[in-house]
Amino acid sequence: QKEVEQDPGPLSVPEGAIVSLNCTYSNSAFQYFMWYRQYSRKGPELLMYTYSSGNKEDGRFTAQVDKSSKYISLFIRDSQPSDSATYLCAMTISSGSARQLTFGSGTQLTVLP
Amino acid sequence: DAGVIQSPRHEVTEMGQEVTLRCKPISGHDYLFWYRQTMMRGLELLIYFNNNVPIDDSGMPEDRFSAKMPNASFSTLKIQPSEPRDSAVYFCASSRDRGGYGYTFGSGTRLTVV
Repeated sequence: QKEVEQDPGPLSVPEGAIVSLNCTYSNSAFQYFMWYRQYSRKGPELLMYTYSSGNKEDGRFTAQVDKSSKYISLFIRDSQPSDSATYLCAMTISSGSARQLTFGSGTQLTVLP
Repeated sequence: DAGVIQSPRHEVTEMGQEVTLRCKPISGHDYLFWYRQTMMRGLELLIYFNNNVPIDDSGMPEDRFSAKMPNASFSTLKIQPSEPRDSAVYFCASSRDRGGYGYTFGSGTRLTVV
């Protein structure tokens, strides 16, 4: 079993839809959670970062963490064609531990105009 | 800020040849990471440096892989000899700290070994 499981998709939605992207994890030691966005033929870029259970909002994006269920989500409101990309969840045991940054496999999202 | 710069963008080589991938990190970042991305295995950390010193190379798949960072503005990842299973996208990333939230990735080098 992988430490981090992410639905690979692909996911296709119409413009304006609410998108939900999800990851589950098995290691209860994970404390810091991130979402990266990766456009085609580009490197991943950090989208959201959180370390506590609950919700964190940034514009149209909301990151949600439920440590008791070992489940994290990224919600995208009013999705736009420019949101079409692969979204990777990532998590680490501590903020100072690069070796233990574990990525999900990524979910490919297409937002249709 | 030009970001993390990688070269070449694409590399096609024959099995058995030596391949060298290059990376210029963001000025002022003292951590540098090399990742490999494939469909099957996703993103894998190969090695990382702090202040030009290799800290953890346990992700390097085998002795055919080596990485150097001769100064704060340049790093190389070398594969010798290359094999078809090395085909992947190789990313370099840099950071001011080890935490994943501080990473900036380059655009990657797409390596194809035939």
